[in-house]
Amino acid sequence: AQTVTQSQPEMSVQEAETVTLSCTYDTSENNYYLFWYKQPPSRQMILVIRQEAYKQQNATENRFSVNFQKAAKSFSLKISDSQLGDTAMYFCAFGASNYQLIWGAGTKLIIKP
Amino acid sequence: GAGVSQSPRYKVAKRGQDVALRCDPISGHVSLFWYQQALGQGPEFLTYFQNEAQLDKSGLPSDRFFAERPEGSVSTLKIQRTQQEDSAVYLCASSPYAGWVLNFDQPQHFGDGTRLSIL
Repeated sequence: AQTVTQSQPEMSVQEAETVTLSCTYDTSENNYYLFWYKQPPSRQMILVIRQEAYKQQNATENRFSVNFQKAAKSFSLKISDSQLGDTAMYFCAFGASNYQLIWGAGTKLIIKP
Repeated sequence: GAGVSQSPRYKVAKRGQDVALRCDPISGHVSLFWYQQALGQGPEFLTYFQNEAQLDKSGLPSDRFFAERPEGSVSTLKIQRTQQEDSAVYLCASSPYAGWVLNFDQPQHFGDGTRLSIL
């Protein structure tokens, strides 16, 4: 069975700083996808960034980038130049051939002015 | 509509009552997912539909939970004889694709969820 672990329940940084959120996972699948989702108080899940396991190049979306270490089963999210609007819960998730998204417990990120 | 719509946004019920939660996916979307998110936790998979077919219901926690999508569009999640442990946010997501690779290669669209509170 697949599992996703986020070991940081809460993180807090000053605006404009860089922050890294950690995620590890366990699977025996060869092909899969990894995701970071943002959930603001409105509750809607917003996709931040996605990585396919077969792609060696780390995904990047503007200020958001990942460090994907397949052998170590690690998938961290780096947010550069953090903004007040980045304050939210961040979830790491795993998806493979059974269609199910497996989610971590989340990290509460607070950006301080 | 422009996005996935879930109703009601909030639902309060007494223990033992039956509840029905509705999900209106984006028009034409083939795949539909239900997730349960307990307070302070990540979501957990409940069930998956491809059109009107329920391909996976392995995440439904008990036989009190039932989901349907009879015409391949709107879906209803029904919970019978509600218990306090059923209190959670119920999220619905949809995708225009059937294959798992496309489902994950393109963004799934999430609704705002229904917050269910059982007293």
